[in-house]
Amino acid sequence: QVQLQESGPGLVKPSETLSLTCSVSGGSISSDYWSWIRQPAGKGLEWIGRIYTSGSTNYNPSLKSRVTMSVDTSKNQFSLKLSSVTAADTAVYYCARGPRPSGFGMDVWGQGTTVTVSS
Amino acid sequence: QSVLTQPPSVSGAPGQRVTISCTGSSANIGAGYDVHWYQQLPGTAPKVLIYGNSNRPSGVPDRFSGSKSGTSASLAITGLQAEDEADYYCQSYDSSLSGYVFGTGTKVTVL
Repeated sequence: QVQLQESGPGLVKPSETLSLTCSVSGGSISSDYWSWIRQPAGKGLEWIGRIYTSGSTNYNPSLKSRVTMSVDTSKNQFSLKLSSVTAADTAVYYCARGPRPSGFGMDVWGQGTTVTVSS
Repeated sequence: QSVLTQPPSVSGAPGQRVTISCTGSSANIGAGYDVHWYQQLPGTAPKVLIYGNSNRPSGVPDRFSGSKSGTSASLAITGLQAEDEADYYCQSYDSSLSGYVFGTGTKVTVL
């Protein structure tokens, strides 16, 4: 079955760019939708954005000016870049499959990776 | 500030039935967009519990059920068990935001 694994620096300095990668195993990344979600400690889930394997993206309007998502089908990976980070961007970051227009929600999730923004 | 509102907490004794509401608007649930529900056990990633308003993925007990009416959706848990203690989130699409949104989240406590 498809499994997801996030990777990237656990500590990012304020004003710098947060970069994370999600590796897809057990299946192909092609012809599907992939999302990033984050969760500050003790708080709720926030959808960051979604990418289709063609490269088409949808971003959360509140983060849109700072977010860039990309996909590398040759490596079966997709990535997140969040620029000009502040302490408010400290959170657990999850990658997930979906949502697809046909439904099913986000049906596969990575285990999450903690990113702390601090000097 | 989420556009999908859930009660912060609900509780019940083992074996009881509890429901969690997810209140939206004409821009999301009321517009006909699907509602999905996720269960997040302590220290773990969320897992889809209900998709497409009322469908259970394989492996999810039939104690969990979902429904939708108007601008709201509900998750019901019957025969509450200690292992159901978790945070639950609804999720849908919002046309005014042109993006996906999660509910505020509900903590279920088994007394």
